[in-house]
Parts: sequence; structure tokens; C-alpha cells
Amino acid sequence: QSVLTQPPSVSGAPGQRVTVSCTGTSSNIGAGFDVHWYQHLPGTAPKLLIYGNINRPSGVPDRFSGSKSGTSASLAITGLQAEDEADYYCQSYDSSLRGRVFGGGTKLTVL
Amino acid sequence: QVQLQESGPGLVKPSETLSLTCTVSGGSMSSYFWTWIRQPPGKGLEWIGYAYYGGSTNYNPSLKSRVTISVDTSQNQFHLKLNSVTAADSAVYYCARDSGGGRDSRNNYFDPWGQGTLVTVSS
Repeated sequence: QSVLTQPPSVSGAPGQRVTVSCTGTSSNIGAGFDVHWYQHLPGTAPKLLIYGNINRPSGVPDRFSGSKSGTSASLAITGLQAEDEADYYCQSYDSSLRGRVFGGGTKLTVL
Repeated sequence: QVQLQESGPGLVKPSETLSLTCTVSGGSMSSYFWTWIRQPPGKGLEWIGYAYYGGSTNYNPSLKSRVTISVDTSQNQFHLKLNSVTAADSAVYYCARDSGGGRDSRNNYFDPWGQGTLVTVSS
């Protein structure tokens, strides 16, 4: 059971918009700690996609965006492409556990 | 740019100690936290713990009694030791730089990551 809750899977057709939610509690996201997002393709190193809730590292397309409100955060992907098919993880800090925490991951399928 | 590479045995016997090394190239280890993360087969990512370049550490409470992470800045390496392993410790193990949170390191994120190394616990 992950500290941060993500849907196991989402899907969308090419060109569509999808969102991935990340729900926490008052000891992590709700406490004001930043949420970060990673894209993970099987057999490769996870890649930082969004940091500090809303920021994109250089080289990440602006089709990817992040948001945060209350005890939740979301990753939005617009203009879906086949290459976006991957697992997506959110990550934050939990003050009760005093450590970094991940969501359980969401598998994105491009139909 | 900074690159990380994990190394170590791919097979460890139950009850023994898993030992991995992450070699950092292309940058200094100073002023950063260095983290280990793992992914068991078919499961999600799990944060194992970090060591600061100065030596302080912080571990996942679920693994704290069995984990040691250390930094060797002279060799540009950091290490993971996990003792008394069982089959449940079989996973792909990743090392990563843990930074970017500014004044509050609790807001750090992981970038870059190593490619990962598969460790299987089996007799």
C-alpha cells in the first residue's frame, strides 16, 4: 500500500488529453510538500518529468503539466502520442514517516 | 552532465548481505544527497534511503533496521548495504541524485538516475 494513491491505469487515444491523479494526506501533499512526477519506460531509468509541482525540466515537452491543490496533485498530458505510453509515478515527502514517498504508479496506455 | 552507474552482484543468497555501489561521473558529490530506490518485479518504486555527502543518513522506516548507505567522495561513489535479505528484496535497484529542494531538502526530487541493476535473492 503506497502512501500516495494513484489510479492503476489510464488510457486515451492519440491526440487526446489524459490526467493522472496523486492523492495524499495532511502529512505529505496536504502539508505543503512539493510533488514531483517521473516517467518510467520498462528497462530504462525513470525520468524526471515535473518538479516542484508545476515545473518542467529542460527537454520535457510542454504537453506535460503538473498541478497541486489541497491534498492532491495531477499530471496532465495533452496531445497524446504513442511514445507517452509508460508508467508514471508521483513522489513527495511525508512528515510522519520522515522520508520520501512514491505513489503506486499509473500505467498509461495509448489506444 | 552527471551520470550514475550501479554495480554489484546480481545474485545474493537468502540471509546474506546485498551490497551495491553507485559510481558518479561528470560532477561533484558535494552538497548533494544520494539516494537508493528499488522496484520489485511487477510493483512500484520504493524509496530505500539517502546519505548526504557529509555523512548524515535517512532511511525508509520499513527497511531501517537492515540498511546502511554511505558516501565515499574520494572515489565518487556511494554504497548500499542491505542485510538479512529474503526473496522479497529481489528488485531492480536504482541510484539517484537527490536534490533541488532549495532551502528545504524535504522537497528534493531525484535526477538523474542510474540505469538500474537487477538483484535476485535466491539460493
